[in-house]
Amino acid sequence: EVQLLESGGGLVQPGGSLRLSCAASGFTFSSYAMSWVRQAPGKGLEWVSGISGSGDNTYYADSVKGRFTISRDNSKKTLYLQMISLRVDDTAVYHCARGRGFGELSFDPWGQGTLVTVSS
Amino acid sequence: AIRITQSPSSLSASTGDRVTITCRASQGISSYLAWYQQKPGKAPKLLIYAASTLQSGVPSRFSGSGSGTDFTLTISCLQSEDFATYYCQQYYSYPLTFGQGTKVEIK
Repeated sequence: EVQLLESGGGLVQPGGSLRLSCAASGFTFSSYAMSWVRQAPGKGLEWVSGISGSGDNTYYADSVKGRFTISRDNSKKTLYLQMISLRVDDTAVYHCARGRGFGELSFDPWGQGTLVTVSS
Repeated sequence: AIRITQSPSSLSASTGDRVTITCRASQGISSYLAWYQQKPGKAPKLLIYAASTLQSGVPSRFSGSGSGTDFTLTISCLQSEDFATYYCQQYYSYPLTFGQGTKVEIK
């Protein structure tokens, strides 16, 4: 069964840092692009960052460029999101999601998410 | 960035109704559009990709159409388990973008 399990969320002060992880299982991790998508409380979905299967290519939303870094360790089947200079408006549930494959960047499946709260 | 305008933001419907949700892209995206269903407290679920291809396991009452800039999700006969929020997403180019969502509520 294909599974994605996020961890690393929590409460952090504005200006602080956090690293999220997403452990993958049930598929050949290195063959798939991956992304992080967030959802602020009561709001819609916002794509945050994406990375190719090899890790050679990374992409970011303008709202996080220069503050967030996506990476992956294919030997550990794990996706990461390093977040620095966190702001109150970064508060959200962060989901990792797998690109569907075959060059498709629709997402299936999604992890259940990890909550990041930025507050003083 | 490509903007996606989704409408309506919410709708009320009864079981058995036919429901239509639309997404309009700010520029042509060919057929690089997906639709998702999200229930409260749950992760989104992929329903349709490539504008009109039904994801495996998704009931056939869901269908998608469109290409270029205008897209539609149709639920042909609304069931109780379909009350949820629906999102479209373009993956023609980075940054990937979502519509604002449509909440389908019970009338």
